[in-house]
Amino acid sequence: QEQLVESGGGVVQPGRSLRLSCAASGFSFSTYVMHWVRQAPGKGLEWVAVVSYDGTNQYYADSVRGRFSISRDNSRDTVYLQMNTLKVEDTAVYYCVRARLFVLDSWGQGSLVTVS
Amino acid sequence: QSALTQPRSVSGSPGQSVTISCTGSSSDVGNYDYVSWFQHHPGKVPKVVIYDVTKRPSGVPERFSGSKSGNTASLTISGLQAEDEGDYYCCSYAGSYNYVFGSGTQVAVL
Repeated sequence: QEQLVESGGGVVQPGRSLRLSCAASGFSFSTYVMHWVRQAPGKGLEWVAVVSYDGTNQYYADSVRGRFSISRDNSRDTVYLQMNTLKVEDTAVYYCVRARLFVLDSWGQGSLVTVS
Repeated sequence: QSALTQPRSVSGSPGQSVTISCTGSSSDVGNYDYVSWFQHHPGKVPKVVIYDVTKRPSGVPERFSGSKSGNTASLTISGLQAEDEGDYYCCSYAGSYNYVFGSGTQVAVL
C-alpha cells in the first residue's frame, strides 16, 4: 500500500526558513511526479509546487515562486520543500501528493506549518 | 493562476441530487480533459471521487458523476446521503505540470 509521510513542520518566525520532507513507500517513487499542496486555516486547497520524475523540472505557484524550492532524492524515495522568507500567509497544512498520470491520487496526512 | 470558481455551498435532502459547478478558463478546464473532484472531510485527507472529468475510481459510489462543457466542469451527487456532507474541490490540469484548484464548495445534507 502506497504511503506518504510528511515531516519537518512546526512554528517559525516570519522571514525564517523551514524544510519539509516527505518519505514515500509502497510504490516505485522514481516513476511518479510529486506535488505539494497546502490548505491555510479556514481556506481552500492551493497547489504549491511540482517536481518531475527525475527532479530536473520544477514549477511553482505564483504565491511561492522565488521563495520555495521543491526537490527530490530518488535514492531515498523522498521529496522536499525548502521554504525561505516565510510569511504569515504561508501558515497552512502542507500535503505531499503523488500524481498518477493527471490525477493527484495519493496524499500524505499533512504537516502543519505555522508562521508567527 | 486564479482559483477555479465554485459555489460557496449547496444543500439537499437525503435522496435528492445536487450539482456543483467549477468554472475556469480556456487555459485550464476548457483546454484539458483532466478535471478531478476531491471530497474533503475536516481532519482527513482529500479523496478523489472523479478524475479525467467523468471517471470514477474503484470504491466510489455510482451516485457521483462528472461532466464538462466549455470552461465549466460539474459534479453531480445523485441520491444524496448523510456521509456525502463535506467540502468538495475541483482541480484542473493547467499545463506544464501545473494544477489549479477550485475555491471549494460545502455540501450540506439537510
